[in-house]
Amino acid sequence: RKEVEQDPGPFNVPEGATVAFNCTYSNSASQSFFWYRQDCRKEPKLLMSVYSSGNEDGRFTAQLNRASQYISLLIRDSKLSDSATYLCVVNIRGDMRFGAGTRLTVKP
Amino acid sequence: NAGVTQTPKFQVLKTGQSMTLQCAQDMNHNSMYWYRQDPGMGLRLIYYSASEGTTDKGEVPNGYNVSRLNKREFSLRLESAAPSQTSVYFCASSGEIAGSSYNEQFFGPGTRLTVL
Repeated sequence: RKEVEQDPGPFNVPEGATVAFNCTYSNSASQSFFWYRQDCRKEPKLLMSVYSSGNEDGRFTAQLNRASQYISLLIRDSKLSDSATYLCVVNIRGDMRFGAGTRLTVKP
Repeated sequence: NAGVTQTPKFQVLKTGQSMTLQCAQDMNHNSMYWYRQDPGMGLRLIYYSASEGTTDKGEVPNGYNVSRLNKREFSLRLESAAPSQTSVYFCASSGEIAGSSYNEQFFGPGTRLTVL
């Protein structure tokens, strides 16, 4: 079983839609959690950290459920520019483990 | 600031050839990392360096060596390339916030390596 699992997608949604990505992790010693964004043929970049109480950054909301070992990312009012691959990342004792990513395409 | 830079951007090798991938960061970060990214696999850590003069193996170190030349530079060497090493290689660096596990990693643009 992979340490960090994501639905690979692709998710194809119209502009303005709300879309949610899920991620599960297997190691209960995981300390911190992130969502990174990766554009096609580019490097990953931090989108947002995920805190226990949940956090929001504009149209993006991240949630963490430690009991279920589950992380989510909600994108509201999708824009064309949101098209990318979203990577779930888990820090296990300083070692960052990356999910394979969920691909999102937002269409006009 | 350039952030994290990598050279070369693209490389094609024949099986058995050697090469070194270069990485440099100008953010005064202590920690540096080398990852490989393969389709459907996510990024996997090859080696990392928590500080100048130290290096440690990651998840997939076999077939690679690294050198932390100074605080800025961290190179990855393939001594005898194999087709299984065809991948996209990313270098990253991070600064540490004392007492926090929320340390952002900054990535370079990647090197696309093909081994024939």
